[in-house]
Amino acid sequence: DSGVTQTPKHLITATGQRVTLRCSPRSGDLSVYWYQQSLDQGLQFLIQYYNGEERAKGNILERFSAQQFPDLHSELNLSSLELGDSALYFCASSVAADRVWETQYFGPGTRLLVL
Amino acid sequence: AQSVTQLDSHVSVSEGTPVLLRCNYSSSYSPSLFWYVQHPNKGLQLLLKYTSAATLVKGINGFEAEFKKSETSFHLTKPSAHMSDAAEYFCVVVNYGQNFVFGPGTRLSVLP
Repeated sequence: DSGVTQTPKHLITATGQRVTLRCSPRSGDLSVYWYQQSLDQGLQFLIQYYNGEERAKGNILERFSAQQFPDLHSELNLSSLELGDSALYFCASSVAADRVWETQYFGPGTRLLVL
Repeated sequence: AQSVTQLDSHVSVSEGTPVLLRCNYSSSYSPSLFWYVQHPNKGLQLLLKYTSAATLVKGINGFEAEFKKSETSFHLTKPSAHMSDAAEYFCVVVNYGQNFVFGPGTRLSVLP
């Protein structure tokens, strides 16, 4: 158990809908990262937050947004969902923002299925 | 720009035989390198990491990897495979100011 929790574990929804994925980092970690894992794209970095502020952006669509709250939990919002958004979404956390040697600890993921 | 190549999408070994999972990276600077493992329907777990200290890195569950700058490689090895090693393995490169870049993964099958 990494100490990173994600809810829900599974989510089934329809095209055009909006969903929210939630992540709680390990105790003491200030950085939260979101990743998307799909069969065709592999594991892709979406976005990073550090202590409530957006720190880095990767291949995140404009239909997707995220935020990190004062208690450091984070939410990833996916809107106007398309079939291609079906994927496993991981959250990870680390203590700092930009130490290259730092391990990211991954949650169990949320599996999203868009029908 | 940084990138990672995992030369084999699938490796199959017999239980008790050695494991070799290959990883080559491209990086403009001295990177940090990681190996993560993903068991079916699970999250990613850190196996080991290289952060410019010793070039031979030991990880959990008997895995180790050697950083070879001249070959831009960071191959993962284990002397004797166990059935529980069957999983997907990801090599990751990261540079200062950049984020994790994952390789495409290698699926390891262990035959009885």
